[in-house]
Amino acid sequence: GAVVSQHPSWVICKSGTSVKIECRSLDFQATTMFWYRQFPKQSLMLMATSNEGSKATYEQGVEKDKFLINHASLTLSTLTVTSAHPEDSSFYICSARPGQGYQPQHFGDGTRLSIL
Amino acid sequence: AQKVTQAQTEISVVEKEDVTLDCVYETRDTTYYLFWYKQPPSGELVFLIRRNSFDEQNEISGRYSWNFQKSTSSFNFTITASQVVDSAVYFCALSEARHNTDKLIFGTGTRLQVFP
Repeated sequence: GAVVSQHPSWVICKSGTSVKIECRSLDFQATTMFWYRQFPKQSLMLMATSNEGSKATYEQGVEKDKFLINHASLTLSTLTVTSAHPEDSSFYICSARPGQGYQPQHFGDGTRLSIL
Repeated sequence: AQKVTQAQTEISVVEKEDVTLDCVYETRDTTYYLFWYKQPPSGELVFLIRRNSFDEQNEISGRYSWNFQKSTSSFNFTITASQVVDSAVYFCALSEARHNTDKLIFGTGTRLQVFP
């Protein structure tokens, strides 16, 4: 149980385009989902916390207009990288927490984004 | 401030050796959670264990064991009789229980290479 699916797994696109990444909890409802970014050989850095039905909470230094997050249902959160540039190239990974209380976060398989 | 330190950037061992991955954390909270995640080359994060701050019992799961010591703010992870499939990056993480949020603060990770 507690499977999180992330799509797409790999994206290559031109500079200036927008890219949408989906994160789905397949067998549980997730009121809270998290989006992380990981540069090569570095740690995961939390970008934002996505709450179903409300605005996402962004970490300091993360541009909310650049990284649009929508959490319209209890099983789906999306991250849109708008007007992507080469410096946005990274590994983006989402996680979801089942139910209430301090259940461990379960992570998707990640999306490798390459902007040319 | 919360912080997780994994001083070992990279460890190489030969199969069947035991290896311990160190994790030291900082937090002002009395209630918190500690985690270990494994990230194989494919990129996904695999949940290994969660401990709450009130449970200092060591835990063993197969070849994996964890030593939680509040006195030294450490949560070390030992793999016994390592195998090639254990090769991955291992992340230690901290989550504070206050404000009903469970943001994960990750360490920088330890890359483990197990050679046959």
